[in-house]
This record gives sequence, structure tokens and C-alpha cells, in this order.
Amino acid sequence: DQQVKQNSPSLSVQEGRISILNCDYTNSMFDYFLWYKKYPAEGPTFLISISSIKDKNEDGRFTVFLNKSAKHLSLHIVPSQPGDSAVYFCAASTSGTYKYIFGTGTRLKVLA
Amino acid sequence: GAGVSQSPSNKVTEKGKDVELRCDPISGHTALYWYRQSLGQGLEFLIYFQGNSAPDKSGLPSDRFSAERTGGSVSTLTIQRTQQEDSAVYLCASSLGPGTGAYEQYFGPGTRLTVT
Repeated sequence: DQQVKQNSPSLSVQEGRISILNCDYTNSMFDYFLWYKKYPAEGPTFLISISSIKDKNEDGRFTVFLNKSAKHLSLHIVPSQPGDSAVYFCAASTSGTYKYIFGTGTRLKVLA
Repeated sequence: GAGVSQSPSNKVTEKGKDVELRCDPISGHTALYWYRQSLGQGLEFLIYFQGNSAPDKSGLPSDRFSAERTGGSVSTLTIQRTQQEDSAVYLCASSLGPGTGAYEQYFGPGTRLTVT
């Protein structure tokens, strides 16, 4: 049972345009969400997070939106740059615990 | 400072052999996680160590898998009698403490295990 789903395995976007990566979850107990970025042969690195008390969190070119009623979150990258080409994982957790549940990842390719 | 390191970076082994994967967490990090990423899958939780507490082994897929953490630092994941379905990238992560939301996880580069 996949509690965190990233239904798009890959996405291609032109440089300078917006990249939108989506993530859906099923467990209503999740209240903390994160996005990680992974380059080949490297471990994932933390990108941005959001708590369920918010519906938006912004950090530079990266914005995460959370729609609790739809159990959906998205990561927006504006403007997209070739260096953003990587695999993006969303992860969810419940506060007070230590377990993170990861999605299967979306491979983003930003075309120059 | 140094990040999380893992060794070896790549391991090819024959079916039925035992393998040991090593993780050196960031100094001072009390929490340590092992994950597995199989082809086309997300990161699958395997085991969690926090300080001197008993580890959470609930994610280990079978009794062929075991892990230990010596002195609250280095961790070793051992897979006995490897099977082809064990082929995956094994990732280690550490964080300053327990609790999601409070402490960021830092990942190592992973060990790619191939069982032939």
C-alpha cells in the first residue's frame, strides 16, 4: 500500500519555465511534508518542507503548496534551470514520530 | 565538515553470499536510518537507531537482514544469503535527533548492491 504517491515518473520543462511536481498521500495522520532532490550517485538532499498548519511555503525559486482536503502537495520551481535536473522525492511524516514515508520520485529534466 | 559516508559505493556479489554495508554518520548525530531503493521504487525504510534506545527494525524485509550500530556511531547493515531481489541502492541517513520536522536527515551517497 503506497501511502505517498508520485504518479509522474518523469517531467521535461524548458529552461525559464515553471516546473510543477505533484505528490498525493493517503494517510490523514501525516502532518509534515518534505521534498528531497537527488542527483545521480549522490544521496537525496533536503529541499523544502511544509507543516500542515500552512498551505504554502516558499524558499527562493521553490514553493511547496499543500492541499489538506485533497491530500495533495506540489512543488513549484520558477524559473527552472538546467541544474534543477534531478529526481525529486516527496516524503511525509507524522509529528512526534521519526519515520518518513517516501514517494517513488519524479525525474525532472530541464531543457536548455 | 564531513557528511555521511558509505562504503563500498558499489558491491557485486553472488547469490547466497553474505554482504556488509557500512555507514559513517555525521559526528554528533544520534539518529541513524537505513533505507533501500529498488528500481522504480521509493525509499523504503529498513531500520532506525536513536542513541542507546532499542532500534526500530520493523522495516527489515526478512531475518536475513540485520544491522548494528557500534558506540552510537558507525553502523553496519548485513545481508545474509543474498538473493537477487536484494539488488538495490542502500542509503544511510543521520540526523541530530529524533522527531520528524525538528531535525533534517542527511543522506549518504548510497551503496549499489547487485546480486548475480
